[in-house]
Parts: sequence; structure tokens; C-alpha cells
Amino acid sequence: NAGVTQTPKFQVLKTGQSMTLQCAQDMNHEYMSWYRQDPGMGLRLIHYSVGAGITDQGEVPNGYNVSRSTTEDFPLRLLSAAPSQTSVYFCASRKTGGATEAFFGQGTRLTVV
Amino acid sequence: QQQVKQSPQSLIVQKGGISIINCAYENTAFDYFPWYQQFPGKGPALLIAIRPDVSEKKEGRFTISFNKSAKQFSLHIMDSQPGDSATYFCAASSAYSGAGSYQLTFGKGTKLSVIP
Repeated sequence: NAGVTQTPKFQVLKTGQSMTLQCAQDMNHEYMSWYRQDPGMGLRLIHYSVGAGITDQGEVPNGYNVSRSTTEDFPLRLLSAAPSQTSVYFCASRKTGGATEAFFGQGTRLTVV
Repeated sequence: QQQVKQSPQSLIVQKGGISIINCAYENTAFDYFPWYQQFPGKGPALLIAIRPDVSEKKEGRFTISFNKSAKQFSLHIMDSQPGDSATYFCAASSAYSGAGSYQLTFGKGTKLSVIP
């Protein structure tokens, strides 16, 4: 069981560069989401999707784009990286409908210099 | 607006002691309250969860107590062990209230250290 797979695990970017964080799940979950984790701030929702072709903004969407062309994949794009985007990013998936467990990837540690 | 408030931010407990972490929520539409455990360098993983139709749920050494009228819930770790040292997040979601219903709203986390 692969579950939720995130790549890369570590990344260093220069200010202004763009990149895509990859997330894939093999559980056929409809709901996928991206969080960022910063010290003392908990997990904050960036974007989420309730199915292929449907995405919406979370609490902290600025500077990030997402798309959902398939059920399995939910990439997160940083358009022009800023030092404030230095964080650990987690992708999660869960079934919709009722009280369901969210499965998290191992995270991507991003540093913007 | 923080919808789930978690305390304390950090907790140090002696081995064998009881660890207690508290959470409070405002949104009465929440009807699913999970706790997640996160070890350094790993993603959070579900530890235990409760629905509001029960006041307590126990799984091994871990117990959730739920007070619907006070809009509070807590995690109790009995006989705490050094291997329980991790960050714990409470969360809440609503299953039946529209497009945002599958979002999990997390507390800010509690870093638990269990010392031998």
C-alpha cells in the first residue's frame, strides 16, 4: 500500500523561482488537500479538491495554484517562491461522506532563500 | 478566526504519568473530532476519533473525552511512555454541511515529551 506519496522530500529554491510539489494517492479518495506546517501555527489549509476538475481555496491560498485532472494526482504549484513560503508541506486525502480518516503524505520540506 | 483552540502548546510528563491535552471549538456544525499524532519528519497519522453521540471513547491507553454542551474535547494518555513523545493535533470537521464539509480544521498542536 503506497497511500499518499509526495515528491520531493526536500527542496531549496531561490526567491522568484517556480516549482511543483507532487502528490499522488492510490486509495481512490475523492477529497485531497494541501497543508503547510509552520512552528506554532499548526496545519493550515492551502487548497483542496473534492474531485477531478474541482478545486477551491483554503485558509492560506496566496502564492499557490492547484489543479486536479485525475482522482489520483493533486499537484501544488508555487508561482514565484518567496521566503515566507519556507515551510513543510503536507498532502492529505480522505473519502468524502461522513467521518473518515485523512491520510497524510510524508511531507516536503521547502526552503526559499 | 481560529475555530479549534488547543492547549497546552507543550507538555512534559514523567514516564507512567497521565498526559492531558485539551481542545475547544466554536462551530456547532462540527460532528467529527479526530486526534492526530505526528513524529518528527513524518506526516500526521490518525490516533483516535470520536463522534458527538458518545461522551468517551477509549483505545488502549488513549481516551477521548467529549463535552458537547461545553464544546470541548480532550485526549488522555494513560501510563505515558517515552515512545508517546510526539506532536498531537486535535481536529474537527462537519460531514454534512456542503462544499466545505470535508475540511479538517486543526488545532495548533501540542508537543508532548515523556521523560524516563
